[in-house]
Amino acid sequence: AQSVTQLGSHVSVSEGALVLLRCNYSSSVPPYLFWYVQYPNQGLQLLLKYTTGATLVKGINGFEAEFKKSETSFHLTKPSAHMSDAAEYFCAVIPSGSARQLTFGSGTQLTVLP
Amino acid sequence: DVKVTQSSRYLVKRTGEKVFLECVQDMDHENMFWYRQDPGLGLRLIYFSYDVKMKEKGDIPEGYSVSREKKERFSLILESASTNQTSMYLCASSLGGPSGNTIYFGEGSWLTVV
Repeated sequence: AQSVTQLGSHVSVSEGALVLLRCNYSSSVPPYLFWYVQYPNQGLQLLLKYTTGATLVKGINGFEAEFKKSETSFHLTKPSAHMSDAAEYFCAVIPSGSARQLTFGSGTQLTVLP
Repeated sequence: DVKVTQSSRYLVKRTGEKVFLECVQDMDHENMFWYRQDPGLGLRLIYFSYDVKMKEKGDIPEGYSVSREKKERFSLILESASTNQTSMYLCASSLGGPSGNTIYFGEGSWLTVV
């Protein structure tokens, strides 16, 4: 079965510092990969996704992620954190093929310190 | 813009009550989903539907049922609510076809069972 591991349930960074949120998946076949963000009391908003093609994917709000097949990873980065980036971030996968539903990681709460 | 609307944001119900959570999407999406979100567990799939009157169990279907009589509407039913069903419930939808399509989420329904 597909699984997603997000290392670190809580990450704190200073404003202006690099943001790195880690995601690893287990699959013998590369899946489709997603990062979603959830602000307090809201639903999930898509940040970026990888399906095929270029392995470095750029998303909204200055975030990007790189698919590394050899490491089965899809880590999310942003060069310079803003206070407004404080939120919960979820990595998710859909197994390539006929499956349509997302499998989520347990989430990482990002705190941005002034 | 895709809009997924969950009619009730906050509900308080008593143990044993029958509870309906309603979800409507306005983009003619074939696929619809119900997830449950709990701290530290991420989002877990309850049920999904890929067509009118079609449904499939997700990872945690016990204690829930669903109804999809019209393409735009997907209802989650708790036949006899219990306190362990207190949670945030998220509805989502996506186009059919390739499984890399983006899944769009509603803003969530907070259910408290007392």
